[in-house]
Amino acid sequence: DAGVIQSPRHEVTEMGQEVTLRCKPISGHDYLFWYRQTMMRGLELLIYFNNNVPIDDSGMPEDRFSAKMPNASFSTLKIQPSEPRDSAVYFCASTIRGLSEKLFFGSGTQLSVL
Amino acid sequence: QKEVEQNSGPLSVPEGAIASLNCTYSDRVSQSFFWYRQYSGKSPELIMSIYSNGDKEDGRFTAQLNKASQYVSLLIRDSQPSDSATYLCAVNMRTGKLIFGQGTTLQVKP
Repeated sequence: DAGVIQSPRHEVTEMGQEVTLRCKPISGHDYLFWYRQTMMRGLELLIYFNNNVPIDDSGMPEDRFSAKMPNASFSTLKIQPSEPRDSAVYFCASTIRGLSEKLFFGSGTQLSVL
Repeated sequence: QKEVEQNSGPLSVPEGAIASLNCTYSDRVSQSFFWYRQYSGKSPELIMSIYSNGDKEDGRFTAQLNKASQYVSLLIRDSQPSDSATYLCAVNMRTGKLIFGQGTTLQVKP
């Protein structure tokens, strides 16, 4: 299995621009998570899905952030408009059978908003 | 109070020594506890999970859980330079969310 695939690996954009991060979970996994990691705040849970349905989005910082999972093999995290404080590494992770199972992380997207 | 707390370190130990990493959590109802290792510039990877009070051993790693004290720890025996990384404690909260601590940076010096 190729593991969790994220794209792009690096994204540099200017403040105010729209940013879309993409994730392909491991086939057969029914949970998908989006995390953000910064030095100051560590690894923060933004949102997670179960069977393509958003379960908890309370970690989404504000309305500028949105996430979708149109099918079991694809999810997006969109930031519109982007701000410098959004600069971070964004990880997607998937697992099977709930939160007591191992999370498999993607390689992450390093986002820099100038 | 943060939901999951760790000392950020760095924790420095000589090669061959025992490294002890600690974590406390706020939700008494939490049932599942995990230790992830993250090398610089890489993604986290699971190294240990523990669900009941006591010790769980896997090779050089031992996870310890004390639910009464809301405390979980990770011991690394015979530490190697390759163990140098950030260790993240994660707790499955009653809300259903898996929350990570800030992580403890471990440095193993040859």
